[in-house]
Amino acid sequence: GAGVSQSPSNKVTEKGKDVELRCDPISGHTALYWYRQSLGQGLEFLIYFQGNSAPDKSGLPSDRFSAERTGGSVSTLTIQRTQQEDSAVYLCASSQTGGGNEKLFFGSGTQLSVL
Amino acid sequence: DQQVKQNSPSLSVQEGRISILNCDYTNSMFDYFLWYKKYPAEGPTFLISISSIKDKNEDGRFTVFLNKSAKHLSLHIVPSQPGDSAVYFCAASRFSAGGSNYKLTFGKGTLLTVNP
Repeated sequence: GAGVSQSPSNKVTEKGKDVELRCDPISGHTALYWYRQSLGQGLEFLIYFQGNSAPDKSGLPSDRFSAERTGGSVSTLTIQRTQQEDSAVYLCASSQTGGGNEKLFFGSGTQLSVL
Repeated sequence: DQQVKQNSPSLSVQEGRISILNCDYTNSMFDYFLWYKKYPAEGPTFLISISSIKDKNEDGRFTVFLNKSAKHLSLHIVPSQPGDSAVYFCAASRFSAGGSNYKLTFGKGTLLTVNP
């Protein structure tokens, strides 16, 4: 597709379960970002991938969160032992090369609800 | 510690009038600013940006003004249209810093409603 694709669009899980969220960026974009938006909050940076460089994981809120990007394309964000405070919309974005003046293209997000 | 603040959670405007959305920031190292628009159930889309070397940038009906001394920026939409009804996020980055300049810091957003 032409845009950033995320799946699933909605995920309801029980506290303590693991979840995987998937992101398929725009073809040819080397930079990939994960942000999350908790209720009533702005978007919060989680992690950044750029080509083959080591990712910037500085925004991950705890060691229960991890992400990988295989083959420089698809990315998976994994949350282990989910907690209720993990409930949020998880947004993936991509851009051509990365950099603070680049336009980010966002997916529609995954709405995660932890019961 | 919120570095980018949008103090108005919502704004309602009549069609054809001007919409003014405001944003304040506290980090003087920010030198690049962006506005994103978000419709329900969609991801944010880029609207307009401005570098700190400018004080104004215009794109059609959208103009962003930057007041560095006040650490304040605003987005003007003229004339407002019902299709502009969305949540508007202000974001900032440290573009010239190199390193992790790709990180955007977002405000909480302002819901704009344009009434026909």
